[in-house]
Amino acid sequence: AQSVAQPEDQVNVAEGNPLTVKCTYSVSGNPYLFWYVQYPNRGLQFLLKYITGDNLVKGSYGFEAEFNKSQTSFHLKKPSALVSDSALYFCAVRDTFRGYQKVTFGIGTKLQVIP
Amino acid sequence: GAVVSQHPSRVICKSGTSVKIECRSLDFQATTMFWYRQFPKQSLMLMATSNEGSKATYEQGVEKDKFLINHASLTLSTLTVTSAHPEDSSFYICSARDGGAGEQYFGPGTRLTVT
Repeated sequence: AQSVAQPEDQVNVAEGNPLTVKCTYSVSGNPYLFWYVQYPNRGLQFLLKYITGDNLVKGSYGFEAEFNKSQTSFHLKKPSALVSDSALYFCAVRDTFRGYQKVTFGIGTKLQVIP
Repeated sequence: GAVVSQHPSRVICKSGTSVKIECRSLDFQATTMFWYRQFPKQSLMLMATSNEGSKATYEQGVEKDKFLINHASLTLSTLTVTSAHPEDSSFYICSARDGGAGEQYFGPGTRLTVT
């Protein structure tokens, strides 16, 4: 079975400082990994994905994530946080084992950027 | 990027009535669509996966006779909550996958309140 862990319920960071939102995963085969952002009462917006290739993935709004196979992690990062980055962030994984389709989401991490 | 719309965005209905929520992929064909339910401050719970032209696959614990899903075309899936009860009140989000390995694009969500 596949699973995703986001160990932090909330991350607080000062505006202008670098931010990291953590994610670890467990799959049987090779993972497809995703990050999404959700603003209040809105659906999820896609930020970035890792399918294969370069371990450092760059996405929307200046976000990036690094795939680390040995640590089974896919942490989301941004060099300089903005107040407008404050939102709920979800990490998601899809196992490629035997063509499995379902995507599993983490519980979400609330990012609060302090002015 | 790909756009997924949902209608209505917000609906209030009386207990015992049925409510239909539409999910459309506006600029791509989605062979697979997903329906999620999100409780306050919680992650997305996958309810069912629907493939165009075939019956939906429901997750364990989701009543298929209560949550009717129809995926009649490559751009439209509907979720009908039958005989709604107050405990069905929730935020329902659909998503559509563009291609086999592509990311999922999410609709803006529908807030259902059953009185």
